[in-house]
Amino acid sequence: QKEVEQDPGPLSVPEGAIVSLNCTYSNSAFQYFMWYRQYSRKGPELLMYTYSSGNKEDGRFTAQVDKSSKYISLFIRDSQPSDSATYLCAFNDYKLSFGAGTTVTVRA
Amino acid sequence: DVKVTQSSRYLVKRTGEKVFLECVQDMDHENMFWYRQDPGLGLRLIYFSYDVKMKEKGDIPEGYSVSREKKERFSLILESASTNQTSMYLCASSPPLAGELFFGEGSRLTVL
Repeated sequence: QKEVEQDPGPLSVPEGAIVSLNCTYSNSAFQYFMWYRQYSRKGPELLMYTYSSGNKEDGRFTAQVDKSSKYISLFIRDSQPSDSATYLCAFNDYKLSFGAGTTVTVRA
Repeated sequence: DVKVTQSSRYLVKRTGEKVFLECVQDMDHENMFWYRQDPGLGLRLIYFSYDVKMKEKGDIPEGYSVSREKKERFSLILESASTNQTSMYLCASSPPLAGELFFGEGSRLTVL
């Protein structure tokens, strides 16, 4: 079993739609939960970071963590073409473990 | 503005050549990392370093080595490049005990 599983996508949605991205993990030692965004031909950049179960909002983005189910999600509300990117979940114990990424295209 | 700079964005090498990928960070970070990124496999950790002259193997170190002679510089070395090392290579740095990695823009290596 892989340590991190991410819904593979790709996803294509119309502008204004809600985007839902999901990852599961198996390592109970993971303490920090992150989402990175990677634009084409660029390195990943941190989008959201949390360490507790529950929801964390930042503008149009909501990160959700369920430690009991070992499941995290990222929701993007009112999606924009500028949100088109690959989104990677990441988990931290003594090093970061990444999901394979989900490529999202928001159509204008 | 934080900056991780990878010296080459695109390289084409031949099988058996020695390849050097250079990475420099200007944030005085202790930790530096080398990942490779392949479609469907995500980011896989090759090597990392928590201090000058210190290195630790990641998940896929075979066929690679690293050098960290100065705090700001972390080099990835492919002693004898092979076609299965064709990939995007990403360097990153972070402060100690921090979850956020700062990535460079990547070096796309093609081995023919």
